[in-house]
Order: sequence, then C-alpha cells, then structure tokens
Amino acid sequence: SQQGEEDPQALSIQEGENATMNCSYKTSINNLQWYRQNSGRGLVHLILIRSNEREKHSGRLRVTLDTSKKSSSLLITASRAADTASYFCATGRSNDYKLSFGAGTTVTVRA
Amino acid sequence: DTEVTQTPKHLVMGMTNKKSLKCEQHMGHRAMYWYKQKAKKPPELMFVYSYEKLSINESVPSRFSPECPNSSLLNLHLHALQPEDSALYLCASSHWTGVSNEKLFFGSGTQLSVL
Repeated sequence: SQQGEEDPQALSIQEGENATMNCSYKTSINNLQWYRQNSGRGLVHLILIRSNEREKHSGRLRVTLDTSKKSSSLLITASRAADTASYFCATGRSNDYKLSFGAGTTVTVRA
Repeated sequence: DTEVTQTPKHLVMGMTNKKSLKCEQHMGHRAMYWYKQKAKKPPELMFVYSYEKLSINESVPSRFSPECPNSSLLNLHLHALQPEDSALYLCASSHWTGVSNEKLFFGSGTQLSVL
C-alpha cells in the first residue's frame, strides 16, 4: 500500500525556474528517499534523508524532512529540460524490507 | 558495475503462454525486488528476496512465480496471465544494513503486454 502522498500531481515550469514538490506520509520512518523516472524507464535514486536529518543537498537538489509533520519536500533549482520526469518519494521503515512509494509528481520543464 | 540488467525489454504474450523475466546485478546486493507499475502510477511491490530467500510476497496471484537461483539473479515466471497484468515490471536491488533499506538500484524494466 502507498505510504506517501505527493503534491502537486503535476507541475509545469520554465527552464531556469525552481521546482518544489511535497511528500506526506503516515507512519514513522527510518528514511525517506526521492527517485526520478523518465517516461517508461526504471527509477533512478536521487537522494536519501534519514529520520534524524532535517535537510540534505545534492547538486541542484535540496531535500527537507519534518518528522513532526510527517512531510518532506524536494526542491530542484535552476531547472533544465532534462529534469522533465516523474518524481517519487519513498519511505523506508526500520526492520522492514519494504520501500513504499508515493503517487508521484510529474514535472515538465519548458524550454 | 552499478547496473541492474533486465531482459527482455519488451514482451508480448498470450493468456496461455509461459514466459520468464530475468534480472541480474553484480553489486553484491543481497536484497532483490520485483515491482509492478501501471502507467502514471507508482511502483507496487510484488516480491522481496533477501539472501536468496523469499522474504515478502505482497499477496501476488500464483500466476506470477518468483525465483532467485543465486545472489546475482532474479527471475519472474509468468503463466496464464490476464490482460490486466499488462504493465512495466521493474527489478531492483539494494544493500540491506540489517536495519533498513539503503537506496534501490532499478533496472530499466520489462514492458509486458498480455493479449
């Protein structure tokens, strides 16, 4: 079953703008991960943030985690056409092999 | 080598056929997964193997039969599928810390069409 919910469902931005998407989840987690999927392809891991971390950066990506609100956000700065993809958050729990994916946000970057 | 290789990339099969999907990784990961993904939906977990043993079966119908012959290979045997089983089937692997998952490495998937 899905643990996370994401908003917005879809996002269209101009190249060079920032894109922000949010993920909410229901139960306690060990870590939260973000993945990107280009159309019809496999998922690519972007970043993992642990439950005791509040913010993490990787290149143009910034992820925040608020465990009190059970929510996370992914910010992509200075977007490029190549960032056009679906983005999924996924939550991992302790002592559990499952990684539960949210519904995803489809991002379109216009040239 | 940080790749997960899935074959075939595309598969069309009739409802009476038997086919197999294959997945291979050489990263030394001891957890391997099958996910099913319908268009515009998130991946849904089907099976998890850890240390070559089936750890999780998410109540998947028996017409899907997983197999893990060794720590690098994962198969999904298909028999008597229904048209609603048409989807992208994704294999993934990960390092298991003993507490939780680390990141998953996904293959490119097999796009399955059942006629």
